[in-house]
Amino acid sequence: NAGVTQTPKFQVLKTGQSMTLQCAQDMNHEYMSWYRQDPGMGLRLIHYSVGAGITDQGEVPNGYNVSRSTTEDFPLRLLSAAPSQTSVYFCASSPKGWAHSKGSEAFFGQGTRLTVV
Amino acid sequence: AQKITQTQPGMFVQEKEAVTLDCTYDTSDQSYGLFWYKQPSSGEMIFLIYQGSYDEQNATEGRYSLNFQKARKSANLVISASQLGDSAMYFCAMRVYNNNDMRFGAGTRLTVKP
Repeated sequence: NAGVTQTPKFQVLKTGQSMTLQCAQDMNHEYMSWYRQDPGMGLRLIHYSVGAGITDQGEVPNGYNVSRSTTEDFPLRLLSAAPSQTSVYFCASSPKGWAHSKGSEAFFGQGTRLTVV
Repeated sequence: AQKITQTQPGMFVQEKEAVTLDCTYDTSDQSYGLFWYKQPSSGEMIFLIYQGSYDEQNATEGRYSLNFQKARKSANLVISASQLGDSAMYFCAMRVYNNNDMRFGAGTRLTVKP
C-alpha cells in the first residue's frame, strides 16, 4: 500500500523557473493538502482540497497554484520560483469522515526538498 | 482560523524519565480535533495521538498520553519512560470538524539523553 507519494524528492530550481510538485494518494481520501516546512515555523498550510474540483487557500498561498481534477492527485505548481520558496514541501491526505478513535488524522508523503537559487 | 502555539523550541529529558510537551490552541469552534505528530531526523511525519473536543477522557496510545484541558485550551503531550528513539521534532496540530484546514504549531525538538 503506497499511501501518499510525492515526486520529486529533491529539486533545484533557478529563480523565475516554474515547476510542478506531484502528489498522489491511493487511499481514496477526499481531503488533500500541501504544507511547507521552514525551520522554526512548523508546517504552514499552502492550499487544500476537500474533493475533486474543490480547492481553497491556506495560510501562505501566494506564488502557488493547485488544482484537483481527480480524487487521487493534487499537484502543486510554482509559477515563478523565488528563493523565499526554498523549503521542504509535504503533501497530506485524510478521509473526510471523523472516526471516533483517531479523528481523521492526516497521512503525509515523504516530502520534497526544494532549493531555489 | 485556528492558531496553535508550542512555546518550547527545545526540550531535554533523561532516558526513562517522563516529559511533557506543551501545546495551546485558539479557536471559536466547539467541534475540533487535536493531533500530535513526531518527525524524526529522517523527515517523515508520524501520527501519534488524537483528542476530540468532546472526549471526556484523555487520550492514551502506549507511552503517549494527551493531557487535555479544554477550559485552558491546552493539549499537552506526555511521553512516559523516554527512549533514545524518542529524540525528534514533535508537532501539535488542530482541525475543526469536517474542515480540511489543519494547522500546526512551530514544533518542539526533544532530545533524550542516555
